[in-house]
Amino acid sequence: GEDVEQSLFLSVREGDSSVINCTYTDSSSTYLYWYKQEPGAGLQLLTYIFSNMDMKQDQRLTVLLNKKDKHLSLRIADTQTGDSAIYFCAERSPGTYKYIFGTGTRLKVLA
Amino acid sequence: SAVISQKPSRDICQRGTSLTIQCQVDSQVTMMFWYRQQPGQSLTLIATANQGSEATYESGFVIDKFPISRPNLTFSTLTVSNMSPEDSSIYLCSVRGQTGNTEAFFGQGTRLTVV
Repeated sequence: GEDVEQSLFLSVREGDSSVINCTYTDSSSTYLYWYKQEPGAGLQLLTYIFSNMDMKQDQRLTVLLNKKDKHLSLRIADTQTGDSAIYFCAERSPGTYKYIFGTGTRLKVLA
Repeated sequence: SAVISQKPSRDICQRGTSLTIQCQVDSQVTMMFWYRQQPGQSLTLIATANQGSEATYESGFVIDKFPISRPNLTFSTLTVSNMSPEDSSIYLCSVRGQTGNTEAFFGQGTRLTVV
């Protein structure tokens, strides 16, 4: 079945760039998403990318998609303490409403 | 976008009891979803709440344990029945966007602890 994997933890210093990686198995995925979950809160959509794109930039966020390797990454430039959270990647296949979420990466930003 | 409110935000319950979680959306939506997020884990879809018909459950989840109501297009409830400590999780209500990339919107979650 579909599977989405992420590394569990990432620690960076304030001002540095963070790169969170994700691998998925479903080659038919149409949309790939990045969600952010802060403590005690639900999930907030950060950005998404269509499967026919290689890259998408949105202010401090850059998403890279390597469809051949089924690898997705989220780069956060100039990471701030407010970026500390759990980041989930998710995929959705065409014609379905089901989202498959990764295990989440806990980002800790050190002042 | 959709604004989703869940109640309660957290609760501590005795084993063997049941808890009903409410989810209210600020607009009419066709599909509402209930997820479970166990400690340190990802989100797992429990079921899809359908208006006017029975919920559709994912593998490993059954109606007797997680009965769901969907009386209208803006409201749903999830009940966690006969709770045990293994049911301690965050339960999240979600709706699917109606346009664009059809992103999923989430409530803030209900943190349930069973003692």
